[in-house]
Amino acid sequence: ILNVEQSPQSLHVQEGDSTNFTCSFPSSNFYALHWYRWETAKSPEALFVMTLNGDEKKKGRISATLNTKEGYSYLYIKGSQPEDSATYLCAFDTGNQFYFGTGTSLTVIP
Amino acid sequence: NAGVMQNPRHLVRRRGQEARLRCSPMKGHSHVYWYRQLPEEGLKFMVYLQKENIIDESGMPKERFSAEFPKEGPSILRIQQVVRGDSAAYFCASSQEAPANTGELFFGEGSRLTVL
Repeated sequence: ILNVEQSPQSLHVQEGDSTNFTCSFPSSNFYALHWYRWETAKSPEALFVMTLNGDEKKKGRISATLNTKEGYSYLYIKGSQPEDSATYLCAFDTGNQFYFGTGTSLTVIP
Repeated sequence: NAGVMQNPRHLVRRRGQEARLRCSPMKGHSHVYWYRQLPEEGLKFMVYLQKENIIDESGMPKERFSAEFPKEGPSILRIQQVVRGDSAAYFCASSQEAPANTGELFFGEGSRLTVL
């Protein structure tokens, strides 16, 4: 069983603050790393997929980096807004299967 | 273009009954995955299917659980003789390409099973 860990488990920030959280994964059997955004009562939505060490992806105020050698990815949110409140999941992709972390629950306080 | 559709959204069963959860993938998607989310836990892989084939069922409990994805119709996750520990949210995802091509997963909104 592959272990994918996300930290922190939950996070409360003020509107306008920037924040980041971590996804740790095994450094072997790596094929890709996915980030998903999951709002309450909705389905997870894909944010990024990264495949190469050193990859950086950006979508608006959200960006992500990838370090496959040490087995971690960071997700950054710049200038958090209340609508960013959600659980952010990472998924380690071996090419055959996705292994999900338990997520970081972000609450942005207006 | 409808997304991944799961039904029922909520299902209540008594111990010993059967639960059937259905998943219609996105149009054009032939790969279906089932995940289970237990309280306070992340999404756990259960099974990966293509039309009429089970590709990987390494996450499925050996007993009482089965899945199918027939040529016509939705994918079905079937749980026989449910027990309280089966209470969870069951999510279906579909992709156009196989995981080996980093096919992006599109998720349904889940089916929440409660076993009394």
